[in-house]
Amino acid sequence: AQSVSQHNHHVILSEAASLELGCNYSYGGTVNLFWYVQYPGQHLQLLLKYFSGDPLVKGIKGFEAEFIKSKFSFNLRKPSVQWSDTAEYFCAVLLYNQGGKLIFGQGTELSVKP
Amino acid sequence: DGGITQSPKYLFRKEGQNVTLSCEQNLNHDAMYWYRQDPGQGLRLIYYSQIVNDFQKGDIAEGYSVSREKKESFPLTVTSAQKNPTAFYLCASREGLAGGQAFFGPGTRLTVL
Repeated sequence: AQSVSQHNHHVILSEAASLELGCNYSYGGTVNLFWYVQYPGQHLQLLLKYFSGDPLVKGIKGFEAEFIKSKFSFNLRKPSVQWSDTAEYFCAVLLYNQGGKLIFGQGTELSVKP
Repeated sequence: DGGITQSPKYLFRKEGQNVTLSCEQNLNHDAMYWYRQDPGQGLRLIYYSQIVNDFQKGDIAEGYSVSREKKESFPLTVTSAQKNPTAFYLCASREGLAGGQAFFGPGTRLTVL
């Protein structure tokens, strides 16, 4: 079965530290890839997405992600986190040949200490 | 003001009763989705629909049912067969283009007593 795996459930960082959140998926067909963020008490919102072209994509608030097709990975990075980045982060994969099925990982809770 | 509406925000039901959660979108999106969000388990896909009058089971469809009679509406019924229905339910819609992102509603928290 198709799945999305996020390696870290809870990450705690100090401000200005660098961030990398892992995401791997299991599906051999064409995919679109997304990272969403859920700030406390707010809706999920899109951070960035990949659907074709340059595998290094940049999103809002200084986030970026790299699609490595051979590793089925789409890791999220930020060079220097801020306290306001405290949130839950979700990796999502759109399975093109599965009728638009959109599946999510388990989420990673990020806590940034001021 | 475009977006996705889910109502109500909080819902309480007695065990053994069916309950229907509403989801409406005015974004003119073709695809709609229902997820269940539980702590530590992320978003799990219940049902999804790419077009009107068609829908597919997601990964945890047992005990749930849906309909898609109109493009803008995708109600979810939580039946008495769902063993653990207390959860936070999220509805999303997505335009059908390549790379189209999903937009999420505010969610409904269902508590079964």
